[in-house]
Amino acid sequence: DIVMTQSPDSLAVSLGERATINCKPSQSVFYSSNNKNLLAWYQQKPGQPPKLLINWASTRESGVPDRFSGSGSGTDFTLTISSLQAEDVAVYYCLQYYITLSFGGGTKVEIK
Amino acid sequence: QVQLVQSGAEVKKPGASVRLSCKSSGFIFSNYAMHWVRQAPGQSLEWMGWINVADGNTEYPQKFQGRVTITRDTSASTAYMELSSLRSEDTAVYYCARFVAAGAPDYWGQGTLVTVSS
Repeated sequence: DIVMTQSPDSLAVSLGERATINCKPSQSVFYSSNNKNLLAWYQQKPGQPPKLLINWASTRESGVPDRFSGSGSGTDFTLTISSLQAEDVAVYYCLQYYITLSFGGGTKVEIK
Repeated sequence: QVQLVQSGAEVKKPGASVRLSCKSSGFIFSNYAMHWVRQAPGQSLEWMGWINVADGNTEYPQKFQGRVTITRDTSASTAYMELSSLRSEDTAVYYCARFVAAGAPDYWGQGTLVTVSS
């Protein structure tokens, strides 16, 4: 099984400032057949299902604001919110889908 | 539009079984596969298994082997997840989520709360 280590557990950022969340799979999730990293980022607000933000480690889903970006490869990934807005308060999860599915522990993002 | 509509909340006693449903619309059901994921209160997300809708093949994590069964009814565009021998630790919100091969789950159901209590 691939263990996903996500950090920090929580993060308080001022409005308009940058938020950075890290995710480290226990083994590489790079899929050589399509040259893509099989890692995604989700946003979850209370009482709602997770919402897919970023697929293939860095591909933003349709309708997701461009302040959200994903980067990284292999075993080291980052989700960046470039300018935090009030509506971004949520818990964020990374997910690897290289071998079945496994999720990170989540990062709670709040306003400072 | 794509929708996954799950069945309503359940309250079960320890040792019982529960069967949840996930009805799909707005896309060709047999072109996709379906994961089931659960979330205990205040916890992260936990994968429970998936089904290839086209051929009915399934895969489950070892933790749930023998206790979970995922099926589908293509004529009803509905996936099902049955969990047996329920215990209090199975209290959680259960989600279905569709995906295509080598892709992340994109659309999710609204979730079904299962409470296991004596």
